[in-house]
Amino acid sequence: EAQVTQNPRYLITVTGKKLTVTCSQNMNHEYMSWYRQDPGLGLRQIYYSMNVEVTDKGDVPEGYKVSRKEKRNFPLILESPSPNQTSLYFCASSLSQGSEIYEQYFGPGTRLTVT
Amino acid sequence: RKEVEQDPGPFNVPEGATVAFNCTYSNSASQSFFWYRQDCRKEPKLLMSVYSSGNEDGRFTAQLNRASQYISLLIRDSKLSDSATYLCVVNSGLTSGTYKYIFGTGTRLKVLA
Repeated sequence: EAQVTQNPRYLITVTGKKLTVTCSQNMNHEYMSWYRQDPGLGLRQIYYSMNVEVTDKGDVPEGYKVSRKEKRNFPLILESPSPNQTSLYFCASSLSQGSEIYEQYFGPGTRLTVT
Repeated sequence: RKEVEQDPGPFNVPEGATVAFNCTYSNSASQSFFWYRQDCRKEPKLLMSVYSSGNEDGRFTAQLNRASQYISLLIRDSKLSDSATYLCVVNSGLTSGTYKYIFGTGTRLKVLA
């Protein structure tokens, strides 16, 4: 089954404790992306990756890091989480060919609470 | 001005009604357009891609107006199961030098029995 998986689905942590949220897709998509969703603000893109070893900032990259060492995986790293990073996080992937980007497929979401 | 703007609603409509949502975007270089549906606290799911010629999928019709920089979604014969938040999504593609997706904040639809 074609899918995007994220782990963990729920996480409660404390300020400053480094954490990683994993994301994996089995569709051989080039493009992968992380979003956060907050009430009244909608989904905002954190980072995206066009392919292995190619990443770029989205609209809200501060406080986050990513890496793309393999095509299928795109982990999101919070080196020193703060309470303002409490949010619902989604990973997504899509096919890209040349200058075309196609529709994204989303993972089930990770609800992160930082106390 | 937000890059992608939607009326947040909620739109409360009776079953069987026709409802239309609009979404405006500010970047004239935008290349790809989509409507997604999101149920409460769940992941967004693709409803339709939006093509220049317009497209239809059953009860759903999407239109793109590049000159006025808006896209629309029409839902005919609304069902209770159509109750959700509808997200407008725009991507600028390579021509703008960035591959960012920009989401509207969504329009909430409630279909009432």
